[in-house]
Amino acid sequence: GAVVSQHPSWVICKSGTSVKIECRSLDFQATTMFWYRQFPKQSLMLMATSNEGSKATYEQGVEKDKFLINHASLTLSTLTVTSAHPEDSSFYICSARDVAGGPWDTQYFGPGTRLTVL
Amino acid sequence: DAKTTQPTSMDCAEGRAANLPCNHSTISGNEYVYWYRQIHSQGPQYIIHGLKNNETNEMASLIITEDRKSSTLILPHATLRDTAVYYCIVRDQTGANNLFFGTGTRLTVIP
Repeated sequence: GAVVSQHPSWVICKSGTSVKIECRSLDFQATTMFWYRQFPKQSLMLMATSNEGSKATYEQGVEKDKFLINHASLTLSTLTVTSAHPEDSSFYICSARDVAGGPWDTQYFGPGTRLTVL
Repeated sequence: DAKTTQPTSMDCAEGRAANLPCNHSTISGNEYVYWYRQIHSQGPQYIIHGLKNNETNEMASLIITEDRKSSTLILPHATLRDTAVYYCIVRDQTGANNLFFGTGTRLTVIP
């Protein structure tokens, strides 16, 4: 149980285009999902917290107009990288917290999406 | 949120126990210690978590000192597939219950 999927697993796009990444909790409901970014040889950096039915909360330094997050259902959150540029190339990872759990409930991570912007 | 300190890297012989230390000297009373690992180019995998008692599951054991200022993750019989970066995380209590990842320990299991 507790499987989180991401789609696509990798994507290559041209500079200036937008890319949408989906994060799904497959066997549980998640009121809260998190989006992380990881550059090569670095640790995961939290970008934003996505709450079902409300606006996402962005970490300091993350442009909310560039990284659009939508959490339309209890099993799906999407991250759209708008007008992507080469510096946005990174490994994007989502995680989800089971709605049935308490405040200390475990987060489960997706397999990640590798974005390369040419 | 409490910070954690881990060694940058460790080696372990295949079949032996891998003991990964973590210091979290500023941990507060209600903060849990979580361990995740990340195999290259994959998302992090949950391993175990605990508050103050030692914990064991099918993957590992977690030993937390009595003063809770440090802990050790134990992989009892390391295999080559355990080669990964291991993250010790103290759960943030400031609101969003998210996880802040440090630099972790790169464990290399040697044949």
